[in-house]
Amino acid sequence: QSALTQPASVSGSPGQSITISCTGTSSDVGTYDLVSWYQQHPGKAPKLLIYEGRKRPSGVSNRFSGSKSGYTASLTISGLQAEDEADYYCCSYAGSSSPYVFGSGTKVAVL
Amino acid sequence: EMQVVESGGGLVQPGGSLRLSCAASGFTFSTSWMNWVRQVPGKGLVWVSRINNDGSSTRYADSVKGRFTVSRDNAKNTLYLQMNNLRAEDTALYYCARDNLDYYGMDVWGQGTTVTVSS
Repeated sequence: QSALTQPASVSGSPGQSITISCTGTSSDVGTYDLVSWYQQHPGKAPKLLIYEGRKRPSGVSNRFSGSKSGYTASLTISGLQAEDEADYYCCSYAGSSSPYVFGSGTKVAVL
Repeated sequence: EMQVVESGGGLVQPGGSLRLSCAASGFTFSTSWMNWVRQVPGKGLVWVSRINNDGSSTRYADSVKGRFTVSRDNAKNTLYLQMNNLRAEDTALYYCARDNLDYYGMDVWGQGTTVTVSS
């Protein structure tokens, strides 16, 4: 399984909205509506932000939203804040034999 | 509070073995599917292995298949990763992560344990 493709970096100013894309294949994103998104601050463990493409776990800000079209999933961060500066990873279910494949990761910078 | 704590990392020579442990607390471990995910410093997350709640089903990434074995002891609330024939490319921070019971997503993560494979 090859890593899902994400842009290396995305930046925005405070208050703006940004979108991170995550492109897969027919073996993962294109077939399953089971994309999750994780936020990772430096030196910290990943934190689940979105599951099943667009659902948020309890306690996650509604500034984070997910969507999918075809082979590409997206994470949108609205009302960008300094604390959103972190690395973001998508992850897709890819079938029972090798269930998870992560994206390459995107570093978000708040200008 | 739900948490998992990894241990067992260290420095090992190429071809050597190491066993990682992941102690769970604050949730019903025996009903939880668990994963190992690794991360080379400065690089991305890579899924390594998954085990179902009773240990009867395991899955591995191609890069570790045949060398790593995941197991669990539900009586001890502990997950394990036995790593054999280690290679330099296995050097990474290894995370233990829980699959949520109701949906596909890893909702509980530890802080990781570092494995360094070097002569």
